[in-house]
Amino acid sequence: DAMVIQNPRYQVTQFGKPVTLSCSQTLNHNVMYWYQQKSSQAPKLLFHYYDKDFNNEADTPDNFQSRRPNTSFCFLDIRSPGLGDTAMYLCATGTSGKNEQFFGPGTRLTVL
Amino acid sequence: GEDVEQSLFLSVREGDSSVINCTYTDSSSTYLYWYKQEPGAGLQLLTYIFSNMDMKQDQRLTVLLNKKDKHLSLRIADTQTGDSAIYFCADPNQAGTALIFGKGTTLSVSS
Repeated sequence: DAMVIQNPRYQVTQFGKPVTLSCSQTLNHNVMYWYQQKSSQAPKLLFHYYDKDFNNEADTPDNFQSRRPNTSFCFLDIRSPGLGDTAMYLCATGTSGKNEQFFGPGTRLTVL
Repeated sequence: GEDVEQSLFLSVREGDSSVINCTYTDSSSTYLYWYKQEPGAGLQLLTYIFSNMDMKQDQRLTVLLNKKDKHLSLRIADTQTGDSAIYFCADPNQAGTALIFGKGTTLSVSS
């Protein structure tokens, strides 16, 4: 089945220790998104890739970076996680011209 | 700025109908969406409505759109315990590059 896969599903890291979250897709979609969802809040877009073009949201902290080495994979790097970065991180894919997005199961990140 | 508002909680009994309401500010969107999120899981696209439509029915789900009032609703008929989840209304931003989500309505279904 075509799908969006996120690894790991759960990640615990220490304050200040870099962490990388992974997303892969078999849908061959050209757009990939990263959202942050804190407890009881709406998902908040951090950035997205339109093909290889990176689009950062204005209020995304510099601490958050992303890489997309090919169509199928996209990574979220948090350089120096703070306690406030504890959240669910959702990856989604889509196609240009259509707003419909397909979400992965998320990675629950806990920063201690 | 663009915003989507939803009521936060809804509690119903099994077999009753549930109605989840949403208001949005950006009226230029072609589609509006409803997503469902079960505990610990990602978001699942539940249904969507084209902005030229007033109503869309899909089995137990009915979406109503009032463009004049910028109001969207999701009705679930014969609500089941398996429908317990958080429901998000989503409206694309003006640039069409992202979805703006409401805070989500937690639906609790009791037997």
